[in-house]
Amino acid sequence: GIQVEQSPPDLILQEGANSTLRCNFSDSVNNLQWFHQNPWGQLINLFYIPSGTKQNGRLSATTVATERYSLLYISSSQTTDSGVYFCAVALTNFGNEKLTFGTGTRLTIIP
Amino acid sequence: NAGVTQTPKFQVLKTGQSMTLQCAQDMNHNSMYWYRQDPGMGLRLIYYSASEGTTDKGEVPNGYNVSRLNKREFSLRLESAAPSQTSVYFCASRTGGVGTQYFGPGTRLLVL
Repeated sequence: GIQVEQSPPDLILQEGANSTLRCNFSDSVNNLQWFHQNPWGQLINLFYIPSGTKQNGRLSATTVATERYSLLYISSSQTTDSGVYFCAVALTNFGNEKLTFGTGTRLTIIP
Repeated sequence: NAGVTQTPKFQVLKTGQSMTLQCAQDMNHNSMYWYRQDPGMGLRLIYYSASEGTTDKGEVPNGYNVSRLNKREFSLRLESAAPSQTSVYFCASRTGGVGTQYFGPGTRLLVL
């Protein structure tokens, strides 16, 4: 199956700092999603980004499918950005899709 | 539009007891999924249903059964719960083709 590695595993930053989270995957995919799991356990969709670049406010993401990696950028961090960020990938065939998750990056923003 | 809903939110079982976790979506999605999340880990796929009337095994199906009751509902059953099934269970849904999976709020299950 597809292997997904995320780095760094843990990141502690001051409020206002910028950060870059990385996701490497081992095979071709046609689905890549970034999620934020907040301290209450809720999974929040951030981006569906199998290729290219997207931006949503202070967050942006870039996936380079040919080189099998994706980056999530968080600018001007706020304490509400704390939580675990997951990358998940899948190769979808005939409607069948099995998302494989990385083990996440735990981000802690200090006031 | 509630999205993906799950019941119950929290459950405690004794070893050997059975229970069914319920999931429903109101987005008219074709595909539905059950995942489990263990402490410090990402989610792992238990079962999925690409369309009404079909189900298939994921990465960790042992000890579970599923039913795709109709297009809206996808249930997960533990016939004889074991402590190793203590976890947080997430249901998700997705429209056909390729696209975003949307997740429910999760069910926390503790098996004693």
